[in-house]
Amino acid sequence: QVQLVESGGGVVQPGTSLTLSCEASGFTFRAFGMHWVRQAPGKGLEWVADISSDGTRTYYAPSLKGRFTISRDNSRNTLFLQMDSLRPEDTAVYYCARDATWVFDHLGQGTLVTVSS
Amino acid sequence: QSVVTQPPSASGTPGQRITISCSGSRSNIGSNTVNWYQQLPETAPKLLIYGNNQRPSGVPDRFSVSKSGTSAYLAISGLQSEDEADYYCTSWDDSLKAWVFGGGTTLTVL
Repeated sequence: QVQLVESGGGVVQPGTSLTLSCEASGFTFRAFGMHWVRQAPGKGLEWVADISSDGTRTYYAPSLKGRFTISRDNSRNTLFLQMDSLRPEDTAVYYCARDATWVFDHLGQGTLVTVSS
Repeated sequence: QSVVTQPPSASGTPGQRITISCSGSRSNIGSNTVNWYQQLPETAPKLLIYGNNQRPSGVPDRFSVSKSGTSAYLAISGLQSEDEADYYCTSWDDSLKAWVFGGGTTLTVL
């Protein structure tokens, strides 16, 4: 079965960087585009970024472009999200999600990022 | 303020049929498919229904969707207590070149 396991979250200070990982299993990772979606505490879902199956095309939420970088390593079945210049408003649970052509059909359990001094 | 708007709350009694709306614009719902997610308390969101009433395995046909112009609707018939959850709609926005989510609707089964 499809499994997506996020890791790398934690408590960090404003202005610092953090890289999240999402390890995929149960499907042919290199054949699917992937996304990151986040959810601030008590708030709704927000799309963050996506990447094509071969990693050559990336898209970002307009408000985040320039600070976040999505990437993937198909040899390791792993998706990444590098987050720079973190702000308190970036505090959220970050989910990775599989793209099944215009739909995120599976999401992981998420990893919590807390940006606080 | 979300580009796509949902009522913050909805409620119904067991067995009742309720509808949750998702209002957008020509650049998102009016042009693209709409997908719905269910988030049970303290869990990750899961895909509930997508496209033209396509349901992942295990999702009962009590859940259905429709679309009219720039609005989409999620209907739940035969409401059950286990349906208490947050529901989110989402669609691609051609103008923003981004996926947009509705703010979410918290469903309470009275």
